[in-house]
Amino acid sequence: EDQVTQSPEALRLQEGESSSLNCSYTVSGLRGLFWYRQDPGKGPEFLFTLYSAGEEKEKERLKATLTKKESFLHITAPKPEDSATYLCAVQAENNDMRFGAGTRLTVKP
Amino acid sequence: DAGITQSPRHKVTETGTPVTLRCHQTENHRYMYWYRQDPGHGLRLIHYSYGVKDTDKGEVSDGYSVSRSKTEDFLLTLESATSSQTSVYFCAIRKEGNQPQHFGDGTRLSIL
Repeated sequence: EDQVTQSPEALRLQEGESSSLNCSYTVSGLRGLFWYRQDPGKGPEFLFTLYSAGEEKEKERLKATLTKKESFLHITAPKPEDSATYLCAVQAENNDMRFGAGTRLTVKP
Repeated sequence: DAGITQSPRHKVTETGTPVTLRCHQTENHRYMYWYRQDPGHGLRLIHYSYGVKDTDKGEVSDGYSVSRSKTEDFLLTLESATSSQTSVYFCAIRKEGNQPQHFGDGTRLSIL
């Protein structure tokens, strides 16, 4: 069965303190791995798609990487406005999408 | 922002009553999805649609039905609501091809 596990569940950082979020997955034929950001009371907002191992995508302070078993979302010098829940999802070859439970990131000024 | 509107945004109702949630899109995307989000769980797929009148079940479809009579509207119905269906419900849309899903801002449903 396809599975997505995100760690840690929660992460508290000081402003400027870089770190990484992990998304481990098992899937039958990966078609894509997606990262989303979710703010309280809002729907998930799309950040990145990664399609194959070795691929990297960047946007401002965020960089997503992908291996055959996991993806990392690296956050460099985070700011308080980066506080949110970050969701990872995998799309299998049958187009089924499976979401992780998310990592709740808090960045303190 | 993706043109997705969910209504109502909040609803409180009683056990045993029927409830219908609406998702409206202005993007003309083929695929539409209904998810529920509960603490400690990822988003879980309830039903999805791959075209007008074409729908299929997801992971947690028991107790839910859907209808799509127009490209832009996807309705989720709880025929007889139960307290276990208290949740936040999200609609998502997707273009053809290997594209990401885009989400509405959700409906918070409380069943007392």
